[in-house]
Amino acid sequence: AQKVTQAQTEISVVEKEDVTLDCVYETRDTTYYLFWYKQPPSGELVFLIRRNSFDEQNEISGRYSWNFQKSTSSFNFTITASQVVDSAVYFCALRPGGYQKVTFGTGTKLQVIP
Amino acid sequence: GAGVSQSPRYKVAKRGQDVALRCDPISGHVSLFWYQQALGQGPEFLTYFQNEAQLDKSGLPSDRFFAERPEGSVSTLKIQRTQQEDSAVYLCASSLAIGDGYTFGSGTRLTVV
Repeated sequence: AQKVTQAQTEISVVEKEDVTLDCVYETRDTTYYLFWYKQPPSGELVFLIRRNSFDEQNEISGRYSWNFQKSTSSFNFTITASQVVDSAVYFCALRPGGYQKVTFGTGTKLQVIP
Repeated sequence: GAGVSQSPRYKVAKRGQDVALRCDPISGHVSLFWYQQALGQGPEFLTYFQNEAQLDKSGLPSDRFFAERPEGSVSTLKIQRTQQEDSAVYLCASSLAIGDGYTFGSGTRLTVV
């Protein structure tokens, strides 16, 4: 069985602060993929990143960075110098290798205050 | 099309009524998925198609739920005899190749009264 836990339900930060969204996952598969999606108020889920279980190299994309640590089964997401447009619900998700079903966490609602 | 298109955007159904939700994936996308998202929750998997073949329907909550993709492009999710617990946002997603990140539509918000 697959499980994704996002313990932070809601986070509020002031614009330009850095913020980290936590994600912990459980799986028995040795091959799997991890994702982050953003869901703005409009409702459409926007794909941000995919990592496979064999690639623990951290990734940076502009103000976004991701820290994947297999030892702690975590895949955390950091936004540097947050902006109001970052306000959204962020979902972490897991897909086992060889399967198409993706398991989502319950999401973290991020509010960036101007 | 440029993105995944879902219609209608909103649907209000009386309990017991049948509904049909449509999804137009991105042209050429092989994989198509349906997810159900209850208020304040993450999306929950319903079913998956590869072209016209429904390869996984393990997430469909009951036999009142039925999905099809007869020509490998447009898909329809049908819910018969709707119940209040069916109220949710129904999301469709597609991907070009197996394993890619999904492109989601804006969803259909179903309210059963």
